Amino acid sequence: GDSVTQMEGPVTLSEEAFLTINCTYTATGYPSLFWYVQYPGEGLQLLLKATKADDKGSNKGFEATYRKETTSFHLEKGSVQVSDSAVYFCALTAGSGGSNYKLTFGKGTLLTVNP
Amino acid sequence: DGGITQSPKYLFRKEGQNVTLSCEQNLNHDAMYWYRQDPGQGLRLIYYSQIVNDFQKGDIAEGYSVSREKKESFPLTVTSAQKNPTAFYLCASRRTGGTGELFFGEGSRLTVL
Repeated sequence: GDSVTQMEGPVTLSEEAFLTINCTYTATGYPSLFWYVQYPGEGLQLLLKATKADDKGSNKGFEATYRKETTSFHLEKGSVQVSDSAVYFCALTAGSGGSNYKLTFGKGTLLTVNP
Repeated sequence: DGGITQSPKYLFRKEGQNVTLSCEQNLNHDAMYWYRQDPGQGLRLIYYSQIVNDFQKGDIAEGYSVSREKKESFPLTVTSAQKNPTAFYLCASRRTGGTGELFFGEGSRLTVL
């Protein structure tokens, strides 16, 4: 079945450091890919998305490129801030928009940014 | 503003009691979902509903029940048959069509005493 594997955390960085969180997937067909962010005690918020190969999603300085050849969707940010401390989830769609449509999530990566 | 409202935010229950978590959305979305979140295990799908009066089991439906009598509402009941109910529960909705992203509520934390 469909699955998402993302790097295990926790990841601890200093402010202004470069961030990479790896995400690879297994899926049939052509899934859409997502990164969600969860701040402490809150629900998930969509951070960025990409719907086809070579698409780049971007938001708030974060970027991720849909690489079909390597089945990857790694999250990057050039200079992290303390406010980026959160749990990050990689996810993909399963199904094709009909009755079986749902998202499959990775286990999440905890990021802590120190001043 | 449109969004998803979950209540209560915190809930305590004694073993053997059923509890119901509320989820209401005013986004006019057709599909709604319930996920369970445990530390280190990510999100696991409990139930989902693509349309009113219809729903499907997810990966961990045992010990849970749902109903979908109105488009706006998708309550989740955690029954006494659920052996380990302490968790963070997240409700989400999705617009039919589009690129398929889910919109999440703020979550409900259930603790069994």
